[in-house]
Amino acid sequence: AQSVSQHNHHVILSEAASLELGCNYSYGGTVNLFWYVQYPGQHLQLLLKYFSGDPLVKGIKGFEAEFIKSKFSFNLRKPSVQWSDTAEYFCAVWNAGNMLTFGGGTRLMVKP
Amino acid sequence: GAVVSQHPSRVICKSGTSVKIECRSLDFQATTMFWYRQFPKQSLMLMATSNEGSKATYEQGVEKDKFLINHASLTLSTLTVTSAHPEDSSFYICSAREDIRGYYGYTFGSGTRLTVV
Repeated sequence: AQSVSQHNHHVILSEAASLELGCNYSYGGTVNLFWYVQYPGQHLQLLLKYFSGDPLVKGIKGFEAEFIKSKFSFNLRKPSVQWSDTAEYFCAVWNAGNMLTFGGGTRLMVKP
Repeated sequence: GAVVSQHPSRVICKSGTSVKIECRSLDFQATTMFWYRQFPKQSLMLMATSNEGSKATYEQGVEKDKFLINHASLTLSTLTVTSAHPEDSSFYICSAREDIRGYYGYTFGSGTRLTVV
């Protein structure tokens, strides 16, 4: 069965620090990759997605993610975080079985 | 962009009663919708896949007689929690899948916080 792992459950950063959240998946076939964000009290929103092409994907709010096929990874990055980035971040993988599998989530807290 | 409307956003019900949650795709047709459950401090867990015009596919461990799913139209899926108990208290989220020229887009509803007292 497909699985998605997010290595960091809780991350605390100061404003302007750089962010990298890890995501690894287990499926060996063709996948589509997503990062979602859930701000406190709000619903899930799509940050970015990868389907094909350039493995470096740029999303909203200055986020980007890099798909490294050989490492089965899709890490999320942001060069300089803001207090408003405090949220929970979910990596998700869609495979040809038509199922979207979520990672366990990473709770990010940015200190002002 | 695609919008999914989920109602109600919060509901409190008495133990033993049933609660219906609606999930509507507002500006696109969704032949497939998904229902997730989120426990505190945990990730989303897929409960079932809802296909328009056919029976839902439930994940292992999810009681289909307790969580009734109906996907009667291309824009509406409902989840009914029957004979609710306090352990059913949770955050339920739906997602609608849109076929966008060969790939799938997933749009999530805003979620429903169910509290059973």
